[in-house]
Amino acid sequence: SQQGEEDPQALSIQEGENATMNCSYKTSINNLQWYRQNSGRGLVHLILIRSNEREKHSGRLRVTLDTSKKSSSLLITASRAADTASYFCATAPSGNTGKLIFGQGTTLQVKP
Amino acid sequence: SQTIHQWPATLVQPVGSPLSLECTVEGTSNPNLYWYRQAAGRGLQLLFYSVGIGQISSEVPQNLSASRPQDRQFILSSKKLLLSDSGFYLCAWSVERTGYTFGSGTRLTVV
Repeated sequence: SQQGEEDPQALSIQEGENATMNCSYKTSINNLQWYRQNSGRGLVHLILIRSNEREKHSGRLRVTLDTSKKSSSLLITASRAADTASYFCATAPSGNTGKLIFGQGTTLQVKP
Repeated sequence: SQTIHQWPATLVQPVGSPLSLECTVEGTSNPNLYWYRQAAGRGLQLLFYSVGIGQISSEVPQNLSASRPQDRQFILSSKKLLLSDSGFYLCAWSVERTGYTFGSGTRLTVV
């Protein structure tokens, strides 16, 4: 079953703008991860945030996690055309063997 | 360095034919291995995962099976493909609840 739900499903912005994607989940988690997928390719791991963390940065990426609301957001600052891709959140449920449950993804288009 | 190999990249198979997709990992030992399927424009559905040789957990009832004959080899199989088996199949590995590393995927079309 799908645990993560991303919002919005699709996002179109101009180069240089910031892009924010949100993810909600249902059960308690060990960590939450964000992945990127270029069309027809495998997924690339972007960032992992643990359940006891509230915010994490990696380059132009900023991820927040609110376990009380069971939600996370991914912010891409100063977007570039090369950021065009689908972005997925994935949750590692508590007490699990390490499997991830993926959401449906947000398709981001950055116009040059 | 750690790498993951998945092949073939594309595959067209007739209904009722068998299937074997292979995934191998290099540069790590005793990884957790996963098979996911992605329908067009959708998220990933976990099909199987394995925490060790010969240990397979199935997430959804289906026409597929998985095997792990060696520590770094994960195979997805079917005896008779259905049209509904079409999709994008992704293999992945992880160690100690870190991020996953995905293969490049196999696009399977059953005709």
